[in-house]
Amino acid sequence: EILLTQSPGTLSLSPGQRATLSCRASQSLSNSQLVWYQQKPGQAPRLLIYGASTRATDIPDRFSGSGSGTDFTLTISRLEPEDFAVYYCQHYGGSPWTFGQGTTVEIK
Amino acid sequence: QVQLQESGPGLVKPSETLSLTCTVSGGPIGRSGPYWTWIRQLPGKGLEFLGYIYYSGTTYYNPSLHSRVTMSVDTSKNIFSLKLTSVTASDTAVYYCARTKTDNGIRVFDVWGQGTMVTVSS
Repeated sequence: EILLTQSPGTLSLSPGQRATLSCRASQSLSNSQLVWYQQKPGQAPRLLIYGASTRATDIPDRFSGSGSGTDFTLTISRLEPEDFAVYYCQHYGGSPWTFGQGTTVEIK
Repeated sequence: QVQLQESGPGLVKPSETLSLTCTVSGGPIGRSGPYWTWIRQLPGKGLEFLGYIYYSGTTYYNPSLHSRVTMSVDTSKNIFSLKLTSVTASDTAVYYCARTKTDNGIRVFDVWGQGTMVTVSS
């Protein structure tokens, strides 16, 4: 089973600042089989990025993903008030598919 | 657009069977492509992929569930279902159904239900 470790656990930032979230896989993910989701309280997760760097439909371009192999990054270039949420990475590079434990982006 | 909605009991007794249904609207479940998926979220914690079913009935289950899980699909009713046997308090969670998009080799959960809370307690 491929484990995903996200860091930091919590990121305290102000609106307008840049957020950089990390996701590290325990094994290399071929074809960048890494996905990012956003979850707000009381809501289901929302697909943000797949294939490590492809934005899903209707996702603003302030969200970007990068990385390959075992190290992946989600960057939010300028935080908007609605971006404060929990972010999860997920892989589909092997079975079973697993999620990271999440990074909370909170308002400083 | 496709929408998913979970339904089922919110309270299940220990050792009994948890049964949930996901109703799909806005598109047929019986077409090639998507996997119909169950995911859960333990209270205050992260997400766990439980497994999926294809419209043909082919399934994949997370080995962590130790054969307790069964999924089924009814294309005539546009629903798919989850059964989890011998539940314990550790199965208390929000259960989500989701569509796994499989275009071009990707496997992403692109449409989610709102989730349903299931508590295991006597």
